[in-house]
Amino acid sequence: QSALTQPRSVSGSPGQSVTISCTGTSSDVGDYNYVSWYQEQPGKAPKLIIYDVNKRPSGVPDRFSGSRSGNTASLTISGLQAEDEADYYCCSRAGGPYVFGTGTKVTVL
Amino acid sequence: QVQLVQSGAEVKKPGASVKVSCKASGYTFTSYYMHWVRQAPGQGLEWMGLSNPTDDSTIYAQNFQGRLTMTSDTSTSTVSMELSGLRSEDTAVYFCARELMAACYFDNWGQGTLVTVSS
Repeated sequence: QSALTQPRSVSGSPGQSVTISCTGTSSDVGDYNYVSWYQEQPGKAPKLIIYDVNKRPSGVPDRFSGSRSGNTASLTISGLQAEDEADYYCCSRAGGPYVFGTGTKVTVL
Repeated sequence: QVQLVQSGAEVKKPGASVKVSCKASGYTFTSYYMHWVRQAPGQGLEWMGLSNPTDDSTIYAQNFQGRLTMTSDTSTSTVSMELSGLRSEDTAVYFCARELMAACYFDNWGQGTLVTVSS
């Protein structure tokens, strides 16, 4: 299974919106409603912020949203805040196995 | 509260094996899958495999077939991951993570275990 493709980095000023793409295939992202997103900050374990393509766990701010079109899923952070600076990873089922994205570093300018 | 506590850091020589454990508490152990995910220095997350504590069944990523063994012990609520034939590229932080819905839904993670492979 090949890693899902994400941009290496995105950046934005506080208050702006940024969108991270996660491109897979018809055997993973395009075939399952099981795409999730994780936020990872330095020295910490990843934190689930989106699951089932567009659902937020309790406690995750509504400025985080997810969507999907075909084989590409997207994470949008609206109203960017300083604490959103982190690495972000998508994840998808790929049949029995699972696969993560390559990761995207979000920088708040 | 839910806790996943992993064993401590390891230093191994190339060709050796390493076993990392993950002790769960605060929930019904057999109700959740347990996954292993690793992260090499400066690199991204890599899914390694999952264990179903109910029946000890496993699914491994293709990259680790033949080198990876995951086992569950319901008496101690512990899942273990053993990786053999270590090489320098296996140097990474290894995380356990529980999942309820077989949907990439990892809601609790262990603290991570650093495995260093060096001659």
